[in-house]
Amino acid sequence: ETGVTQTPRHLVMGMTNKKSLKCEQHLGHNAMYWYKQSAKKPLELMFVYNFKEQTENNSVPSRFSPECPNSSHLFLHLHTLQPEDSALYLCASSQVGTSYEQYFGPGTRLTVT
Amino acid sequence: QQPVQSPQAVILREGEDAVINCSSSKALYSVHWYRQKHGEAPVFLMILLKGGEQMRHEKISASFNEKKQQSSLYLTASQLSYSGTYFCGTERANDYKLSFGAGTTVTVRA
Repeated sequence: ETGVTQTPRHLVMGMTNKKSLKCEQHLGHNAMYWYKQSAKKPLELMFVYNFKEQTENNSVPSRFSPECPNSSHLFLHLHTLQPEDSALYLCASSQVGTSYEQYFGPGTRLTVT
Repeated sequence: QQPVQSPQAVILREGEDAVINCSSSKALYSVHWYRQKHGEAPVFLMILLKGGEQMRHEKISASFNEKKQQSSLYLTASQLSYSGTYFCGTERANDYKLSFGAGTTVTVRA
């Protein structure tokens, strides 16, 4: 595997379900990000992990819970979501300190019913 | 605060040129440009770190006017492969946290 991978690619869940999104980067980067991309809206930064420590939480509702067990893996735990949470969730990574370009994964298309 | 991109959409014929603008109400440390094709992940094009810096990716170039707090992306002699949505991402401090514009959808037709 190369680059940034995300699983699953598609997810349909009910409002009472609990699910997790997974992201893995194979680039040796030290920072990882979760973004939300809704139709006709800008990419919204949700969480940032730098050297495995969360450094940003852009007022994201607590029904979204990130986890970064190591510098290569990032999870987004979901519970009791709302229909307006339906969106494309993108993971990205970068090498802070040397290069700032972010490499994105293909995203997970989430539908909350 | 998110930057403002214009135009929202542009349609070109192959070989034509276009300019996409990205403006911020706050001072910027850097501007990043990404392109996203339908159903795919955004792909990094270039980063501009200094005022007045111009970068190039194939026949796509960009400028950064620090004083005006804006950046422009120039699509020159457009190709079919240039179709997609272009996003600017702005960084206000050297903190690797980007705010993205709403995007400009570019359609290049034969």
